[in-house]
Amino acid sequence: GQNIDQPTEMTATEGAIVQINCTYQTSGFNGLFWYQQHAGEAPTFLSYNVLDGLEEKGRFSSFLSRSKGYSYLLLKELQMKDSASYLCAVRDSNYQLIWGAGTKLIIKP
Amino acid sequence: ETGVTQTPRHLVMGMTNKKSLKCEQHLGHNAMYWYKQSAKKPLELMFVYNFKEQTENNSVPSRFSPECPNSSHLFLHLHTLQPEDSALYLCASSQDGGEGYNEQFFGPGTRLTVL
Repeated sequence: GQNIDQPTEMTATEGAIVQINCTYQTSGFNGLFWYQQHAGEAPTFLSYNVLDGLEEKGRFSSFLSRSKGYSYLLLKELQMKDSASYLCAVRDSNYQLIWGAGTKLIIKP
Repeated sequence: ETGVTQTPRHLVMGMTNKKSLKCEQHLGHNAMYWYKQSAKKPLELMFVYNFKEQTENNSVPSRFSPECPNSSHLFLHLHTLQPEDSALYLCASSQDGGEGYNEQFFGPGTRLTVL
């Protein structure tokens, strides 16, 4: 079966750095996406990785290792507005997204 | 503004009712999706339309019936639902449903409660 694993919940302090991990087992791989979803709102796109390595976009970075079936989302200089759920999704051999259950990130002052 | 709108935002219905959810995208995309989001569970893909043709139906019960009259509009017709169908229903669109970058843009969702 296809499976995406990520921690259910994480807590971090404002101004700090947090790393959210995602491991996957899917039938084929055609890219990995990270989305942010604030409570009661639509998921919004954060990053896309299809090749191994680190993609940096401002305070957010995403890393991919295809051989290990592993990705992480790194958030720097955390702000209160970063409190949200972070969803990892892998595009499989049929080009459909397989989603993780999301990691709820709580930022404390 | 994500370019994808959904109506209604909230819906409460009895098990014998018939209702429809509407989604509209203003992004010029060719693929549209219906997802179900339940608390603490992964997004469940329900239906995919690519260039107005249904390409995926992930074993969704027949009490959910999609309709895609054109590439900008997507409907989800509901009838004789069960309480366990209560969830957030999200619509999304992407440039197309195949290869390529294809970031999905989501609407705000319809919060459905079945009594």
